[in-house]
Amino acid sequence: DTEVTQTPKHLVMGMTNKKSLKCEQHMGHRAMYWYKQKAKKPPELMFVYSYEKLSINESVPSRFSPECPNSSLLNLHLHALQPEDSALYLCASSQGTGWNTGELFFGEGSRLTVL
Amino acid sequence: GEDVEQSLFLSVREGDSSVINCTYTDSSSTYLYWYKQEPGAGLQLLTYIFSNMDMKQDQRLTVLLNKKDKHLSLRIADTQTGDSAIYFCAVSLPYSSASKIIFGSGTRLSIRP
Repeated sequence: DTEVTQTPKHLVMGMTNKKSLKCEQHMGHRAMYWYKQKAKKPPELMFVYSYEKLSINESVPSRFSPECPNSSLLNLHLHALQPEDSALYLCASSQGTGWNTGELFFGEGSRLTVL
Repeated sequence: GEDVEQSLFLSVREGDSSVINCTYTDSSSTYLYWYKQEPGAGLQLLTYIFSNMDMKQDQRLTVLLNKKDKHLSLRIADTQTGDSAIYFCAVSLPYSSASKIIFGSGTRLSIRP
């Protein structure tokens, strides 16, 4: 199983809503990532979890709150978002152990629209 | 911080070779990657090269790395319509356990019949 599964695929929310994006992998990877991708732009790193601990936060606003309940799951909790937060949110995982190429395995993304 | 630059568009005739170029600024990058993104999809790793290599060939794909000039290129031989996509150059920055990977702006490859 070489998949990273993201749910939901599409999400529309108002600025006062609270919602969550979910990501799951069963490849035994120990590093998981959230990237944000605006239209016609490259993915921008938001958060990195390594061994279930937050290791990188790229100065992301606190209205985005990541959570890694276990090594297979990664959540992104959303609250009081702004319309400019509308984007494709990509989850990825990597082996994170031993000597490896650092390859990221990406999910298909969750397309978020904030009204 | 690390900067990764690519040209935005490339148009080639079907059957010709495509060459996508990338420049980067951080010479400590350990691995350099080429990812492909089709419309509405996530990113898929096409190939990678370790920083101590000059060239890597993988079927229709050839990666060239010039460390002195910090220049990476991807050549796709016999380009097909299925190769239409956005191609991202990416570099990994030294980091413990996890990967800190920074992406270029992406090159949109379109194929002419």
